[in-house]
Amino acid sequence: GNSVTQMEGPVTLSEEAFLTINCTYTATGYPSLFWYVQYPGEGLQLLLKATKADDKGSNKGFEATYRKETTSFHLEKGSVQVSDSAVYFCALSPPNDYKLSFGAGTTVTVRA
Amino acid sequence: GAVVSQHPSWVICKSGTSVKIECRSLDFQATTMFWYRQFPKQSLMLMATSNEGSKATYEQGVEKDKFLINHASLTLSTLTVTSAHPEDSSFYICSANRAGPAGTQYFGPGTRLTVL
Repeated sequence: GNSVTQMEGPVTLSEEAFLTINCTYTATGYPSLFWYVQYPGEGLQLLLKATKADDKGSNKGFEATYRKETTSFHLEKGSVQVSDSAVYFCALSPPNDYKLSFGAGTTVTVRA
Repeated sequence: GAVVSQHPSWVICKSGTSVKIECRSLDFQATTMFWYRQFPKQSLMLMATSNEGSKATYEQGVEKDKFLINHASLTLSTLTVTSAHPEDSSFYICSANRAGPAGTQYFGPGTRLTVL
């Protein structure tokens, strides 16, 4: 079946530090890959996505590259801000399917 | 934008009672809506897929008679937790699929259910 494994948290960083959250997946074929973010008290929001191998998704300074060879979709940001404090979820959907399978989520706290 | 609302945002009920949670897509039509359950510090678990005008498709292990889903219109789906018990206490989240690239789901803010 499909599954997503992401780095356990919580992660605590100082402002302007580099952030990496690892995500690997197991799936048949070429799934679409996503990063969702959940800010305190809010619903999940799509942060970025990639739909085929070697695609790079980017948004708000965050980036992730679809690596088929390593079945990974690691999230990175070069300089985090306090406002990036949130829970980040890696997810996938199979080809031609809207269903999402989520990772466990990683809580990120950025301190001023 | 694509906004999805849920009502209520939180609810406390007594064991044995039923609770209805609404999910609405406010500015788009959603042919498909999804219901998830999220336990504290855990990921979202898909409970069921709801298509407008047809019966919901439940994931393995989810009791369809316990969690009744109705998708009466293109902007409204409801989840009713019947005869709720303390173990049903959880965070319930819906999402609505907007026509377009696969996986473009827009999530509601969630409903916190506490069963006493």
